[in-house]
Amino acid sequence: SQQGEEDPQALSIQEGENATMNCSYKTSINNLQWYRQNSGRGLVHLILIRSNEREKHSGRLRVTLDTSKKSSSLLITASRAADTASYFCATVPYNFNKFYFGSGTKLNVKP
Amino acid sequence: GAGVSQSPRYKVTKRGQDVALRCDPISGHVSLYWYRQALGQGPEFLTYFNYEAQQDKSGLPNDRFSAERPKGSFSTLEIQRTEQRDSAMYRCASSIGTSGASNTGELFFGEGSRLTVL
Repeated sequence: SQQGEEDPQALSIQEGENATMNCSYKTSINNLQWYRQNSGRGLVHLILIRSNEREKHSGRLRVTLDTSKKSSSLLITASRAADTASYFCATVPYNFNKFYFGSGTKLNVKP
Repeated sequence: GAGVSQSPRYKVTKRGQDVALRCDPISGHVSLYWYRQALGQGPEFLTYFNYEAQQDKSGLPNDRFSAERPKGSFSTLEIQRTEQRDSAMYRCASSIGTSGASNTGELFFGEGSRLTVL
């Protein structure tokens, strides 16, 4: 079974708005990563946050991690139509095997 | 290009036939992963290698599935006696896999091999 689960399953917003998606997981992790997938293409790594970090920024991306609640959130600010894609969180155990992916959040940014 | 390469990109086969899917990881990457992804779902772990050693194959659905990475470079995922339920996108990913604090385990994915079993 998958360890990371994203919420919401789908999100539709207007260009310029912020998009927030959440990820919950079950067991201890070394780090948590977020990936983007454009319509059937390969997944592309976006950002990583280590278990001892609480917040990280990269351009328009902001990710938070709460290990006590076993949850993470990804915020995309000032969204663009090009951000339309599915977003997946992946939990990475300490031995780096079995990266667990959730079922993803499908983001639609309307121009 | 220097990315992860998978072949064939599309494979249509009849039920009962054997298929082999190939993955060429990024040069120098130690770790290689196989995932299966159903439409609208996240990737599901199948197996992974460090160099030529298969470290974990617990995600392989049954004994019709096998994988190898004989020289620690490319890998082949084989499915024997295919069934319709095997139809899916099969994705390969590689990572640097070096030890130490610098290893974050970031995965680099290929474009996938779409298998259709008729």
